[in-house]
Amino acid sequence: EAGVAQSPRYKIIEKRQSVAFWCNPISGHATLYWYQQILGQGPKLLIQFQNNGVVDDSQLPKDRFSAERLKGVDSTLKIQPAKLEDSAVYLCASSLSRYNEQFFGPGTRLTVL
Amino acid sequence: KQEVTQIPAALSVPEGENLVLNCSFTDSAIYNLQWFRQDPGKGLTSLLLIQSSQREQTSGRLNASLDKSSGRSTLYIAASQPGDSATYLCAVPVYNFNKFYFGSGTKLNVKP
Repeated sequence: EAGVAQSPRYKIIEKRQSVAFWCNPISGHATLYWYQQILGQGPKLLIQFQNNGVVDDSQLPKDRFSAERLKGVDSTLKIQPAKLEDSAVYLCASSLSRYNEQFFGPGTRLTVL
Repeated sequence: KQEVTQIPAALSVPEGENLVLNCSFTDSAIYNLQWFRQDPGKGLTSLLLIQSSQREQTSGRLNASLDKSSGRSTLYIAASQPGDSATYLCAVPVYNFNKFYFGSGTKLNVKP
């Protein structure tokens, strides 16, 4: 069974630029999560999707971050414009449902200069 | 808001030792708790998911226990090996599973 795929693995941008991350969850997983992990901390949930609907995005900085999950499969997370404090690893995870075990992708390491 | 704490932040032990990692949470109204390991530069790997109705869950040399009333979970690793070196994180959902809260992790180093 293929795992959660993410791309790119690494991204370096200047502040005020925009960036997008892509996630392909495990086939059949209805729930998809985006997390932000700052060095030395645990992941912080940014947004949770159930199929193509948003369950919770209360911790997503909506003035600069946006996410979508068209057709309830792949998802993209965008930052525009980026700030220095957005430097982090962005992790995507999926699960059969929100009551089930979460499986994580390898993450995208973002550096904002 | 749920607060999840993991102590110690770092732990170094000689190979072969049995060890216990701790996870505490402030809101005991949880449905399950999940333990993960994270290797440097990698994503998280699920180790164990323990339901609130369970007191223990085992997988190989790993055993997780859950005590909701005291707001604690422990991850027991038997006969530790250098390959167990990683950061171990615990995560709990809030009651409606809309949010998940992670601890900051315990960084384990098992010395050969």
